[in-house]
Amino acid sequence: AQSVTQLDSHVSVSEGTPVLLRCNYSSSYSPSLFWYVQHPNKGLQLLLKYTSAATLVKGINGFEAEFKKSETSFHLTKPSAHMSDAAEYFCVVSDYKTSGTYKYIFGTGTRLKVLA
Amino acid sequence: DAGVIQSPRHEVTEMGQEVTLRCKPISGHDYLFWYRQTMMRGLELLIYFNNNVPIDDSGMPEDRFSAKMPNASFSTLKIQPSEPRDSAVYFCASSLRGILYEQYFGPGTRLTVT
Repeated sequence: AQSVTQLDSHVSVSEGTPVLLRCNYSSSYSPSLFWYVQHPNKGLQLLLKYTSAATLVKGINGFEAEFKKSETSFHLTKPSAHMSDAAEYFCVVSDYKTSGTYKYIFGTGTRLKVLA
Repeated sequence: DAGVIQSPRHEVTEMGQEVTLRCKPISGHDYLFWYRQTMMRGLELLIYFNNNVPIDDSGMPEDRFSAKMPNASFSTLKIQPSEPRDSAVYFCASSLRGILYEQYFGPGTRLTVT
């Protein structure tokens, strides 16, 4: 079965320094991968997605992620953290079920803290 | 567009009571999803609809949970009877093109069952 692992439950960075949130996945076929962000008491918002086009994907708010098939990774990065980036981030992989349907598999989330 | 609208935003009820959560998807989106988020289990897909028809309800935890979509602009998730372990944040999301594409989430309903 497909799965997704977010390697860090909490990440702290100083404002202005790079952000790296790690995500590994397992999939028996070519997956679609997503990163979503959830600010406190809000719904999830799509940051970026990979659907078998360019392996380097650019998203909103300066975030990007690189799909590395050989490493089964889809890490999220940003060159310079801003205070407003403090939130929880979810890596998501599409899951093809034998019933012929799909569903999202969510990672457990990484809470990003940005220090002034 | 106003985005996905959920009501109520907060619901506190006693064990055994019926709870109904409501969702209005983004106009023109053919897919609607119900999720549950808890600290213990994270985000779980409960059920999703395509063109008002339930496609996959394998995530619905038990018969106490039911979901309907009577038309393209409205869906409900009902819990009857409610139990304390149902306490969670319930999200509704909609999508234009399907489950492999971006989903737009509502703000959620925080349910507390005492």
